[in-house]
Amino acid sequence: QSVLTQPPSASGTPGQRVTISCSGSSSNIGSNTVNWYQQLPGTAPKLLIYRSNQRSSGVPDRFSGSKSGTSASLAISGLQSEDEADYHCAAWDGSLDGVVFGGGTKLTVL
Amino acid sequence: EVQLVESGGGLVQPGGSLRLSCAASGFTFSSHWMHWVRQVPGRGLVWVSRINSDESNVNYADSVKGRFTISRDNAKNTLYLQMNSLRVEDTAVYFCTRTVAGSSNAMGVWGQGTTVTVSS
Repeated sequence: QSVLTQPPSASGTPGQRVTISCSGSSSNIGSNTVNWYQQLPGTAPKLLIYRSNQRSSGVPDRFSGSKSGTSASLAISGLQSEDEADYHCAAWDGSLDGVVFGGGTKLTVL
Repeated sequence: EVQLVESGGGLVQPGGSLRLSCAASGFTFSSHWMHWVRQVPGRGLVWVSRINSDESNVNYADSVKGRFTISRDNAKNTLYLQMNSLRVEDTAVYFCTRTVAGSSNAMGVWGQGTTVTVSS
């Protein structure tokens, strides 16, 4: 049971726009920024978005992040086959004094 | 090239100990917060611990508090995780991560991971 809640799966067709949600509480997303990671099959995670909406170096502008209240979202526009991966959200939790992750969302490009 | 290379994983019996190491290169190691994150294959990421640049600030997940100890040697550009009283549920791939400049939690560089298996 993860502290942050993500849908287990998402899908889209090439060229489509998809969003992945991440829901938390006042002690994590509500009071701290959110980071998003992409994990391609069989590889280590890679930072996509940090401080809720800042793209990491080299990340295409097709990827964007937003935060409102105790929820955050990752949007991917112009979906491509190489975007098929697991996506994880994370934030600092002030009550737990630690980083909390979502359970991950498996994105399938149909 | 910025790189993190973990080592020290392996098979250990419940109650045993292991020390993981993470050799850093290609950046100023002493300037960054460092974290350990673990993952059971096919499952989500789970944060384990973090340490700031001069070891004055460390944090642990509740599940490892009192059993694991994070440390670093800035002269050797190496991060450590001492794992004692290991349990079956500690079995996972352990990743060493480096934060982005100016952040204590955004993990911008990841190692390839080292596998820890706790089993009798």
